[in-house]
This record gives sequence, C-alpha cells and structure tokens, in this order.
Amino acid sequence: QKEVEQNSGPLSVPEGAIASLNCTYSDRGSQSFFWYRQYSGKSPELIMSIYSNGDKEDGRFTAQLNKASQYVSLLIRDSQPSDSATYLCAAVMTTDSWGKLQFGAGTQVVVTP
Amino acid sequence: DAGVIQSPRHEVTEMGQEVTLRCKPISGHDYLFWYRQTMMRGLELLIYFNNNVPIDDSGMPEDRFSAKMPNASFSTLKIQPSEPRDSAVYFCASSSTRGLPFREQYFGPGTRLTVT
Repeated sequence: QKEVEQNSGPLSVPEGAIASLNCTYSDRGSQSFFWYRQYSGKSPELIMSIYSNGDKEDGRFTAQLNKASQYVSLLIRDSQPSDSATYLCAAVMTTDSWGKLQFGAGTQVVVTP
Repeated sequence: DAGVIQSPRHEVTEMGQEVTLRCKPISGHDYLFWYRQTMMRGLELLIYFNNNVPIDDSGMPEDRFSAKMPNASFSTLKIQPSEPRDSAVYFCASSSTRGLPFREQYFGPGTRLTVT
C-alpha cells in the first residue's frame, strides 16, 4: 500500500467549474500536508499547506483536511485553462521527524475552454 | 529573493561518463533534498541533508550515486558511471525548520539528464 494515494486522472473540468482533487494517506499520525502544482516540463510549485482539520482558503484554492478519515482534498474554484497541470499531494510521515515528504503520484487536471 | 538554483538545466552525456549536478538552496534553509522524477516512478527522494549532514540516503539507487554538501549554500549529486536508465529530471529542494512555514519544501527548476 502506498503511503500517499491519489487518482492519476486525467480529471477533465470545464472552464469556470470547480475541480475537486482527493488524496488519502496511510500514516494516522501525519500532521503536515501540502499540495504542489507541476506544469509539464517544470518543477513542483507549492500552492497550499495545511496542518489542522478543516478548510484553508487561499484565493481560488481551498485545502481540506480530515485527519480522522486520513483524507486531504484540494478544490480549485472558477477553474481556468492555466490550472491545467499535475497536482501532487504530499505528507510528512511521523516515522520521520526530519521533514521528509511522501509524495503521491499526482492527479492530472485538464481544464477545457 | 532567489529561489533554489540548479545547474546545469540540461545535461546530455554518454554512458559511462561522470555527471555532476549542482544545487544552491535558499539562503537560510537548513534542509536540502535531492529528488529524481520519471514517468514510470514519479517523484523519488534520493537523499537529504540537515545542516550539511546527510540524514537519509536510503533512496540512492546504487553506489554509482553520491551526494555531498560541503557548506550551507552548495550541494552536488554525482553519478559515476552514468547509465541510460539514469535519464530523468533531478530536482533539488530546500526547507527550513526555523519558525513558520514549517517543512514547506521549495523546488529548484531541475536538471534534465539524458544518458545515451
């Protein structure tokens, strides 16, 4: 079982709609979670971090964390073609106290005009 | 502020040659990570350093790979000898444990390595 799991997609979203990305993790003690966006041929770019249960909003992005269900999600409101990218979920595992991240395989999002 | 800097951005070499990738972390960051990304295996952590000391190199695939961090502002990843299966994009990332944000890693632009 992978430690951080995501649907690979592609997730096709009409322009202006909400894109919903999901991520589950296996380490119940994980405390820190991150979403990265990676455009084709580019490096991962940190877009959201979340540490507490509930929602965290930043512009058109909302991260949601439910530690009881071991579930992290990312919502992208008013999706734009420029949001087309691969989104990587990452978590710090409690087996490692040094800040090592475990990444999921990523979900490809395609926003269609 | 300058982000993580990597060089070269592209490297094409022949099998058997030595390859050295370079990284300058964000100033003040005390963690440095080396990753490799391929279509088949995704993003893999190779090795990471804390205060210039290697903490975990369990992701280094073989003895052909080695990494050093002689000071807080410079790290190298060396492959000797290189093989075609080493072809990938290699990323360097850094983070800080001092204050907030905590453990957020920031990636460099990557080095695309092609071994023929």
